[in-house]
Amino acid sequence: AQKITQTQPGMFVQEKEAVTLDCTYDTSDQSYGLFWYKQPSSGEMIFLIYQGSYDEQNATEGRYSLNFQKARKSANLVISASQLGDSAMYFCAMREGGETSGSRLTFGEGTQLTVNP
Amino acid sequence: DTEVTQTPKHLVMGMTNKKSLKCEQHMGHRAMYWYKQKAKKPPELMFVYSYEKLSINESVPSRFSPECPNSSLLNLHLHALQPEDSALYLCASSQGFGNRVREKLFFGSGTQLSVL
Repeated sequence: AQKITQTQPGMFVQEKEAVTLDCTYDTSDQSYGLFWYKQPSSGEMIFLIYQGSYDEQNATEGRYSLNFQKARKSANLVISASQLGDSAMYFCAMREGGETSGSRLTFGEGTQLTVNP
Repeated sequence: DTEVTQTPKHLVMGMTNKKSLKCEQHMGHRAMYWYKQKAKKPPELMFVYSYEKLSINESVPSRFSPECPNSSLLNLHLHALQPEDSALYLCASSQGFGNRVREKLFFGSGTQLSVL
């Protein structure tokens, strides 16, 4: 079963506007972590933001915020004031609790974001 | 220093060659990972080393052989690869202890491998 689902293969946004990238997840663990990574065409995976399952506040990191809705099992990434440099592939990922499963970071299929001038 | 360094950046090899990919980190991390990524796809976990011991092997063919000589270095030895093994190979590291759920991975820039 797919553990991380990103339903938007591609998204377009105008420069300076906000954009939301969707992510839903599936786990029976109570303790888990959700991550967003950015991968530009250069290939490096860049960590953006983290949300823990027990965190009461939605995570924010600069222009990135995470809209965490635990009951709906969704962890959407919001990018405010988009910049041309935000054009990249974005991956949602989850790490579940447990000795061995905690070593695994499971990725969604990704969303290709294009920022238009 | 928050870098994971991978060499080489690009590699072209024939199906009979033997080559190695190298990865280095100096962040004191005790967990290191190899991922394989095909174009427009998410990274797929291959191997995890924890405290220099192989802890996860995701049923990877034996033509890929990982090695962790010390806590800072991770190698991936390649032998008799197939054209379908062409991909971006990413190395990553993480703290490897404490609350594992919160651990983020630090990735290198990857090695783009082409098998002819």
